[in-house]
Amino acid sequence: EPEVTQTPSHQVTQMGQEVILRCVPISNHLYFYWYRQILGQKVEFLVSFYNNEISEKSEIFDDQFSVERPDGSNFTLKIRSTKLEDSAMYFCASRGTREQPQHFGDGTRLSIL
Amino acid sequence: KNEVEQSPQNLTAQEGEFITINCSYSVGISALHWLQQHPGGGIVSLFMLSSGKKKHGRLIATINIQEKHSSLHITASHPRDSAVYICAGGTSGSRLTFGEGTQLTVNP
Repeated sequence: EPEVTQTPSHQVTQMGQEVILRCVPISNHLYFYWYRQILGQKVEFLVSFYNNEISEKSEIFDDQFSVERPDGSNFTLKIRSTKLEDSAMYFCASRGTREQPQHFGDGTRLSIL
Repeated sequence: KNEVEQSPQNLTAQEGEFITINCSYSVGISALHWLQQHPGGGIVSLFMLSSGKKKHGRLIATINIQEKHSSLHITASHPRDSAVYICAGGTSGSRLTFGEGTQLTVNP
């Protein structure tokens, strides 16, 4: 069964550094999402992406965050200057149509030192 | 603002027991998702419901639109069912708003 792939599984970065989290959504999917889960808390929405542009973003998704679909297969989340509070598990998800469920990747655990 | 609340937070059962996890949601949510999160963190979609009932193996999900309530049932529970079960709500195509999750432990 096709799946969403995220790399790396664990990223350790110094505070203030830029980090890029990578996702390969399921190949014929059109809607893409990033979520995060701080340890011990619930999953929170960051951003959704459709037709090569952001369709919705949360208040968490400030100017330090950006997303890109550079080559038609990858979907990346960039954090420009990481803070300690960015430490979390980041999940990518994709769906084929608006009526289908979202498929999640296994997540990238981001640790900011 | 879309809200999702689920109960209980923690649930311990003996193998073979029938399990129910409940979820209430606010106005504005038209599709309710049930998800499973394993200890390693990965999230698997179990059901997406906008009406009625769905069944997959030993898992059953129901939704009552008038009462804005959904339940996830597990029949003949097994230790491998131990995980965090999360309900999440959204509108068609939109972001998901997640509940806090229910930590289920099934003892042999």
